[in-house]
Amino acid sequence: DIQMTQSPSSLSASVGDRVTITCRASQGINNYLAWFQQKPGKAPKSLIYEAFSLQSGVPSKFSGSRSGTEFTLTISSLQPEDFATYYCQQYDSYPLTFGGGTKVEI
Amino acid sequence: QVQLVESGGGVVQPGGSLRLSCAASRFIFNDYGMLWVRQAPGKGLEWVAYIRHDGSNKYHADSVKGRFTISRDNSKNTLYLQMNSLRAEDTAVYYCAKGRTTNSVGIDYWGQGTLVTVSS
Repeated sequence: DIQMTQSPSSLSASVGDRVTITCRASQGINNYLAWFQQKPGKAPKSLIYEAFSLQSGVPSKFSGSRSGTEFTLTISSLQPEDFATYYCQQYDSYPLTFGGGTKVEI
Repeated sequence: QVQLVESGGGVVQPGGSLRLSCAASRFIFNDYGMLWVRQAPGKGLEWVAYIRHDGSNKYHADSVKGRFTISRDNSKNTLYLQMNSLRAEDTAVYYCAKGRTTNSVGIDYWGQGTLVTVSS
């Protein structure tokens, strides 16, 4: 199975901050990496797919990048509505696996 | 906008069975693969199962293999998850999710989830 190691598990940030979250895959996954945002009591929401592509309707302050097996989600200027938990997921091979999540707090 | 509405959750005793449904609308259901993903209380996301757009192939996580079965009825635009031999560790919110393209297991839309509680 491909392990997705997400870091940090939590972070504190302020409105306007630039935030980066990292996910490292235990083996190559091509660009089959997605990022999701989840707010308390709500379903996850798709942000990024295929490592770099922005889901329709998602603001451009969210971006994805890749360096080898390390993938990064960047929020360019954190806003109050961005405080949530973020998950990465690989969908290169079965079983599909998620990172452990990163809780972004004020 | 894509709509996915899960139903069928509830409280069930260990060893019992439950069938979840996911009613899909506002997209061409039989053009897309579909998934189930679950989330135990206070925990992260766990992939459960995937089915191809035409139902020809199905994949299940090892944790549910032999107990859970994903299926679909394209004439009813509905996805199912038959859950048998339920255990306490199956307690979770179960989300239905839409595949991004015909052959992709990437997710683009999620349902609101249905809670399954396995307890005596």
